[in-house]
Amino acid sequence: GAVVSQHPSRVICKSGTSVKIECRSLDFQATTMFWYRQFPKQSLMLMATSNEGSKATYEQGVEKDKFLINHASLTLSTLTVTSAHPEDSSFYICSASRGLPGVGFTNEQFFGPGTRLTVL
Amino acid sequence: GENVEQHPSTLSVQEGDSAVIKCTYSDSASNYFPWYKQELGKGPQLIIDIRSNVGEKKDQRIAVTLNKTAKHFSLHITETQPEDSAVYFCAASRGYSTLTFGKGTMLLVSP
Repeated sequence: GAVVSQHPSRVICKSGTSVKIECRSLDFQATTMFWYRQFPKQSLMLMATSNEGSKATYEQGVEKDKFLINHASLTLSTLTVTSAHPEDSSFYICSASRGLPGVGFTNEQFFGPGTRLTVL
Repeated sequence: GENVEQHPSTLSVQEGDSAVIKCTYSDSASNYFPWYKQELGKGPQLIIDIRSNVGEKKDQRIAVTLNKTAKHFSLHITETQPEDSAVYFCAASRGYSTLTFGKGTMLLVSP
């Protein structure tokens, strides 16, 4: 159980275009999903936290108009990189937490396999 | 906010040896400490976690210890195998807050 998928696994796009990355929890309902960015040989950097049906909370320094996050259902969150530029090239990883506070909530995060974005 | 320090940054061992990775945290209210294994080009995989009401947890060749007084926790891997080679991340969080990750340890197990 607790499987998270991401699509696509790799994407190459031209500068100025927008790219959408999907994150799905396959066998559980994810009340909260997280989006991370990871540069080579570095740790995971949290970009934003999203709860189903509400606006995402972005970390300091992350442009909300550039990285659009939608968490429309308990199993799907999307990250759209708008007007992508070469400096946006990175490994984007989502994670999901299940449960609700007071009802078996855990702060475990289950990670997706990641999406490699290359902007030319 | 929370700050997590992880050491060493790289660790090379011979197959069959033990490996120990250590992390310290700054927020005494942190109560959840997971460890993740990340292979090249893949997402992190939760391998073991511990909560603050427990001092040690073991799962086959992997164990985690927690010292709340000193605010440090460690990952122990016994009888290492080449397939244990990966980057390992520790993390800490409190309540329902987000995870703060260490910078990672690259473990290389030589046959």
